[in-house]
Amino acid sequence: DAGVIQSPRHEVTEMGQEVTLRCKLISGHNSLFWYRQTMMRGLELLIYFNNNVPIDDSGMPEDRFSAKMPNASFSTLKIQPSEPRDSAVYFCAGTDTVDNSPLHFGNGTRLTVT
Amino acid sequence: AQSVTQLGSHVSVSEGALVLLRCNYSSSVPPYLFWYVQYPNQGLQLLLKYTSAATLVKGINGFEAEFKKSETSFHLTKPSAHMSDAAEYFCAVSGPNMRFGAGTRLTVKP
Repeated sequence: DAGVIQSPRHEVTEMGQEVTLRCKLISGHNSLFWYRQTMMRGLELLIYFNNNVPIDDSGMPEDRFSAKMPNASFSTLKIQPSEPRDSAVYFCAGTDTVDNSPLHFGNGTRLTVT
Repeated sequence: AQSVTQLGSHVSVSEGALVLLRCNYSSSVPPYLFWYVQYPNQGLQLLLKYTSAATLVKGINGFEAEFKKSETSFHLTKPSAHMSDAAEYFCAVSGPNMRFGAGTRLTVKP
């Protein structure tokens, strides 16, 4: 089962605080993607990794956002300091490196910054 | 750059009626196209994908999509809507990363 587990499911924090979102790939993935979903902008690709190496981070909004993938099955997305406009659902997804392979999504982290 | 455009942010049909969700793509090379479905409070799930083996692709839950190169389209259809089909549907194109359309919310009326 090529699962993707995200934690936490919900995060509520105050403006200025650091937020860390986590993603664990269960098996069968070489690539990991972070997306952000909002009503206004839909699904936006933030960054993706291939074999733990960041390939394209052009979607990361600004320097307050950073992502790491220390091993083949785990990644974090950090926002420091957080702002109300960062409120969104953040999804992690995995796939193998073949172009025609679908993404397997986690259930997302709903972030609310007050 | 490859992209997809979904026509219609909301579609409403009656239970038992035909479902048609529209997607057009832009690509300079043969595209890899996908349809995903998202239920409330969940991530996206794959419905079907086009891999050039056949222009008519069958997916899960009775959905299918037809690749039409002349129209640069990959519309999603289902002959008879069910209440459980109510969700948001995303068309996507891949290579090297997955880019999604804006989504179409499907409502099914009893």
